[in-house]
Amino acid sequence: EVQLVQSGAEVKKPGESLKISCKGSGYSFTSYWIGWVRQMPGKGLEWMGIIYPGDSDTRYSPSFQGQVTISADKSISTAYLQWSSLKASDTAMYYCARLIAAAGNAWFDPWGQGTLVTVSS
Amino acid sequence: QSVLTQPPSASGTPGQRVTISCSGSSSNIGSNTVNWYQQLPGTAPKLLIYSNNQRPSGVPDRFSGSKSGTSASLAISGLQSEDEADYYCAAWDDSLNGMFGGGTKLTVL
Repeated sequence: EVQLVQSGAEVKKPGESLKISCKGSGYSFTSYWIGWVRQMPGKGLEWMGIIYPGDSDTRYSPSFQGQVTISADKSISTAYLQWSSLKASDTAMYYCARLIAAAGNAWFDPWGQGTLVTVSS
Repeated sequence: QSVLTQPPSASGTPGQRVTISCSGSSSNIGSNTVNWYQQLPGTAPKLLIYSNNQRPSGVPDRFSGSKSGTSASLAISGLQSEDEADYYCAAWDDSLNGMFGGGTKLTVL
């Protein structure tokens, strides 16, 4: 079974750093892009960026470029989303998802269970 | 403000057919395919339709997708109470940036 398991909920203060993880299993981790998606409280989905664990090629949404860092460690089939200095506005649920590309299209399937990040003083 | 425009809400009674629209532009929907995701309350999104009209294994054939020009639609026939969820369209633009619609909250009356 293809599965993405994310790290647990985090509560942090503004200015702190954070790295959350997404571990893939049941498939060749290095052969598929992994994406990160933000969902702020009561709001919709926002595409943040994607990484190809095979060679760490990374693409960011213009809205998130410079705000977060996406990385991966293929030796342990894990992708990461990292902040160097959190803001209250980073409070959100963050999902990772495997990107399947075929016939000129790409879609996310499956999704991780989500990691809730709360930033509050 | 999402680049892909969806109605914020939709509703129907059990057994009815409802449609949810997704409007884009020539640089996204007009030149790329559309995917749809279902997010049940309190859960992670799930792939519902890919490549405009393809259903993944396990998705009931009550769900169907279509695309015409710069717009796409998701149709749900034989509406059931368990279909109450948020629905998101998604596409890519010509610069390979991914994007989601703002989401449509479906209420089963």
